[in-house]
Amino acid sequence: AQTVTQSQPEMSVQEAETVTLSCTYDTSESNYYLFWYKQPPSRQMILVIRQEAYKQQNATENRFSVNFQKAAKSFSLKISDSQLGDTAMYFCAFMAPNAGGTSYGKLTFGQGTILTVHP
Amino acid sequence: DTAVSQTPKYLVTQMGNDKSIKCEQNLGHDTMYWYKQDSKKFLKIMFSYNNKELIINETVPNRFSPKSPDKAHLNLHINSLELGDSAVYFCASSLGTSGTQYFGPGTRLTVL
Repeated sequence: AQTVTQSQPEMSVQEAETVTLSCTYDTSESNYYLFWYKQPPSRQMILVIRQEAYKQQNATENRFSVNFQKAAKSFSLKISDSQLGDTAMYFCAFMAPNAGGTSYGKLTFGQGTILTVHP
Repeated sequence: DTAVSQTPKYLVTQMGNDKSIKCEQNLGHDTMYWYKQDSKKFLKIMFSYNNKELIINETVPNRFSPKSPDKAHLNLHINSLELGDSAVYFCASSLGTSGTQYFGPGTRLTVL
C-alpha cells in the first residue's frame, strides 16, 4: 500500500522568509502524481502545486516550488517570500494507478504540516 | 460561479438518524469523489464515480451510500448515524481519473 509521510507536524516562518515542508512517500509504481494542497482555517482545500512523476523538471507556481527526488521518493515544498495568507495546514498527496492500471483517482494524503507565518 | 459546491455546510443531527449531503460541480468534470476528514485532520477517500460509474469503493460501512444521478452531481446518504461519523466530508471533482482534484467547501457533520 502507498503511504505518505510528513514528518513536520508544525513549522513557523517570518514573513518574507523562505520555508521548506518535507514529504516522503512509499510506492512500487513508476507512474504517479504528487500534489501539495493547503487548508487554511476556512477549511477549503486549495491546490498549491502538482507534479507528474515522469517529468524530471520540478514544478513551480509563482512563490511555490517543489524539489522532486524520484529515487529518494521525496517531494518537498518550498515557499519563498512567505506571506501571512500562507498560514494554513499543508497536505502532501500521492496518486497512483489502481491494481489493474486502468484508472487513477485515489489521493493518499499525508498527516499534514501546520505552517504559521509570523509578521 | 462556485466550482464545486456542497450542501449543507453544517449538519447537526442525532444518533440513529439518516441524512444526505449533496455535491454539484460546474467544471464539466466527469469524475467525482467523497473524502472524509477526521478530527485529527486526516483525509481519506471513500468513493469515486467516473461517468456515473462507481470506480473506487474504499472500506466504508455500508450505511454510507453514494449516488450519482449525472456527471455533475454526487450525493452521499448516511443511514443510522453514529457518533464516529462526526467529521468533515469533502466532495471533489476532476477531469479524468488522473486529473487534478478540486474540492468543495466541505460539510461538517456533528452527530450527537
